[in-house]
Order: sequence, then C-alpha cells, then structure tokens
Amino acid sequence: SYELTQSPSVSVSPGQTASIICSGHKLGDKYACWYQQKPGQSPVLVIYEDNKRPSGIPERFSGSNSGNTATLTISATQAMDEADYYCQAWDSSTVVFGGGTKLTVL
Amino acid sequence: QVQLQESGPGLVRPSETLSLTCTVSGGSISSYYWTWIRQPPGKGLECIGYIYHGGTTNYNPSLKSRVTISVDTSKNQFSLRLTSVTAADTAVYYCARVRGSGSYYNEPFDYWGQGTLVTVSS
Repeated sequence: SYELTQSPSVSVSPGQTASIICSGHKLGDKYACWYQQKPGQSPVLVIYEDNKRPSGIPERFSGSNSGNTATLTISATQAMDEADYYCQAWDSSTVVFGGGTKLTVL
Repeated sequence: QVQLQESGPGLVRPSETLSLTCTVSGGSISSYYWTWIRQPPGKGLECIGYIYHGGTTNYNPSLKSRVTISVDTSKNQFSLRLTSVTAADTAVYYCARVRGSGSYYNEPFDYWGQGTLVTVSS
C-alpha cells in the first residue's frame, strides 16, 4: 500500500521560514494537500493541489511537490502557526495521510 | 457556510457496533462526496471511507469488513457503522466533505466537523 512519510517534529524561530516535508514514491505525480491541526481542534486545509491556498489561509503558507517530495513552507512563522501538520494524497481510490509533523515555534 | 456536526454515543462496549451520524447544514449533501476520518488519541489521521450522495461507497481496505457508510439525502445526513469494535477503535471521529463537486480523486477535505470522541470500553 502507498505510504507518506513525515518527520515527527520541526522547530523554527519566530519570523523564520519553516519547511515541512512529506515523502512518497512518485508523490510528484499526484496532488498533495496539507492540513493544520491545533490541539483539541479539527484539521484545517491550508494547501491543496500542491500549492493552492483556500480562501482565508495566509499568504505565508505555500506548497510545492516534485519527484518524491512535497513541501509545506511557512514564511515569517508566527507563534500561532504552532500545530501538527499532515500531508495527504490519493493513491487510486484510497486516501493516504502522512503521519504528521509537530511544528514548534520557539 | 457549510457546517458538519457529528452525533452518536461516546461510549461503546467491546464487540458491539459503533454508530455515528453527520448532519450537514448550510449546503446540500447532493453533488459531493463525504467522508469519515478518525484519529486515535495522540496519533494521526486515518480515512475510514467515503460516500457519494447517490450511495456509491469506498472503504479503507483495513476496515472494509466492518464498515458501512450510508447517506440520507432527505435529512442531509450520512452515517457510519463500525461493527465488532475493540479498544483499537477508540478515537475522535470526524466527518468531512470532499471538495470537488461530483468528484473525489485528488480532491482535499475542505469542511470538517468538530469531531466526536468514541471510547470503546466495558
């Protein structure tokens, strides 16, 4: 079965750029999307179709996808961006989530 | 603004059946795919399956033998049944909408319910 792999944790200083990576076999041939989940809350879609932002998502969130890697980039990271981030893709008719990355802003 | 609300028992006995309903408001259940996703405490997200308003379903292979997802368009609701539950089924269960109207492949989940914790315990 298809798998997406994420690092368990990433740390970033406020104002700096955070990069969260999602790896999967030929992931670049699929569309990747990203969800942000804060403690006790439902996931929120922040990037879809590799690099599109839903309405209301700040411009500091961007995405890319090529080869075996999709990347979520958060520019000028703020304390409010501290959360778990999950990548997701479709493999045939199956939904696949990455294991999640905890972003710490310190 | 589309809103989703999960409802159902918060406690289910081992070997029994977990039943949840998702009520969609602010929009029609028609023309979209809808999904159930769960998250065990402290763990990641797992898609249980999804359904089209016409009734077409697709289930996670690891749960397929125990899962049924159904839809009631007259009530703007869709439901989840998971049989023979064990402690491993303890999780927050979310319902969500698949973004693309009339399609699912490569589409993200754009609207989510608040989630409901279901504990499997005697």
